[in-house]
Amino acid sequence: EAQVTQNPRYLITVTGKKLTVTCSQNMNHEYMSWYRQDPGLGLRQIYYSMNVEVTDKGDVPEGYKVSRKEKRNFPLILESPSPNQTSLYFCASSPTGLGEKLFFGSGTQLSVL
Amino acid sequence: SQQGEEDPQALSIQEGENATMNCSYKTSINNLQWYRQNSGRGLVHLILIRSNEREKHSGRLRVTLDTSKKSSSLLITASRAADTASYFCATDLNSGYSTLTFGKGTMLLVSP
Repeated sequence: EAQVTQNPRYLITVTGKKLTVTCSQNMNHEYMSWYRQDPGLGLRQIYYSMNVEVTDKGDVPEGYKVSRKEKRNFPLILESPSPNQTSLYFCASSPTGLGEKLFFGSGTQLSVL
Repeated sequence: SQQGEEDPQALSIQEGENATMNCSYKTSINNLQWYRQNSGRGLVHLILIRSNEREKHSGRLRVTLDTSKKSSSLLITASRAADTASYFCATDLNSGYSTLTFGKGTMLLVSP
């Protein structure tokens, strides 16, 4: 089944403890992206990647890192999480990133205490 | 940066009624897409309409696009309780490569 898989689904952590949210897609898509969703603010893009080893900042990249070493994986790294990064995170992918529909993962609810 | 703005923020209707949601945006676009999100889950793509199209249908969904007014509408006909969800418009800006920008969404409640 074609899908975008995010893990974990829920994560509770403490301020400053490094964490990684994984994202994997099995559709051979070149484009992958991370969004965060907050009440009243909608979805905001954190980082995106047009292809392997190519990543770019979105609207809210501060405090986040990403890497794209393989086409299928696009992990989101929080080196030193803070409470304002408590949010619902989504990974998404599309074939080329040129205006097609996005396929979304199921989301990761992160709480930073 | 936020581009699309949905209206209304929330909509409550009875089963069988039609639901209309609107989206306004600010700059020229390549296409506009509508997505649906069930509570806290991932977004699911519903329909894509290109800037040179005026209307598109998919099952009970009808989307219109008016580029002169920079607005789009999503009509769900004969709504069902299962249509209860949040609906988002997303604009693909005319910027050379894709940065899909989402609005804040309309929350639709369909009561049996």
